[in-house]
Amino acid sequence: AQSVSQHNHHVILSEAASLELGCNYSYGGTVNLFWYVQYPGQHLQLLLKYFSGDPLVKGIKGFEAEFIKSKFSFNLRKPSVQWSDTAEYFCAVRDQTGANNLFFGTGTRLTVIP
Amino acid sequence: GAGVSQSPSNKVTEKGKDVELRCDPISGHTALYWYRQSLGQGLEFLIYFQGNSAPDKSGLPSDRFSAERTGGSVSTLTIQRTQQEDSAVYLCASSPIPLGRQFFGPGTRLTVL
Repeated sequence: AQSVSQHNHHVILSEAASLELGCNYSYGGTVNLFWYVQYPGQHLQLLLKYFSGDPLVKGIKGFEAEFIKSKFSFNLRKPSVQWSDTAEYFCAVRDQTGANNLFFGTGTRLTVIP
Repeated sequence: GAGVSQSPSNKVTEKGKDVELRCDPISGHTALYWYRQSLGQGLEFLIYFQGNSAPDKSGLPSDRFSAERTGGSVSTLTIQRTQQEDSAVYLCASSPIPLGRQFFGPGTRLTVL
């Protein structure tokens, strides 16, 4: 079965610092990749997704992610974080074979200090 | 400890039939969510249970969809008279506190023929 690893459980940054959150998955076939965000007191929402094409994906609020197939990775980045980016971030992977289910990582809590 | 479990993992049904999807949250978690992800789409919120409060049903797409949570634990999502557009992965999540960090189940893949 697919597994998704987010090695950073809690990241604390000051405003204007650069952000990179790691995401690695285990399945080697064709995958769809997602990053979701949950702001405090809100439900999950989609930040960005990769299905095919350009491996550098731009999302909302200045976020981007790069799909590196050889490394089974889909890391999330933002050049300069803001206090309002404080949230929980989830990486998710769906493989295109078998059950086609969606697998979530355990999440990374980001705290941005003003 | 046990995580969130969902059953069945896969369900294939014919258009017009009713289906029930089950979610067992993590023991002690008071909040429970249902989401779905259709092919090519992001995650869509369906319904949210918190303790004994009235559920937030604002995400249910039609009156064919309903959900209940018995005894503050297990939840069942029911889809009546299924349509092909109901085909999706249905995810359940639970949280130990209201609108806190969510722990996701593996999902149920529903295919309506």
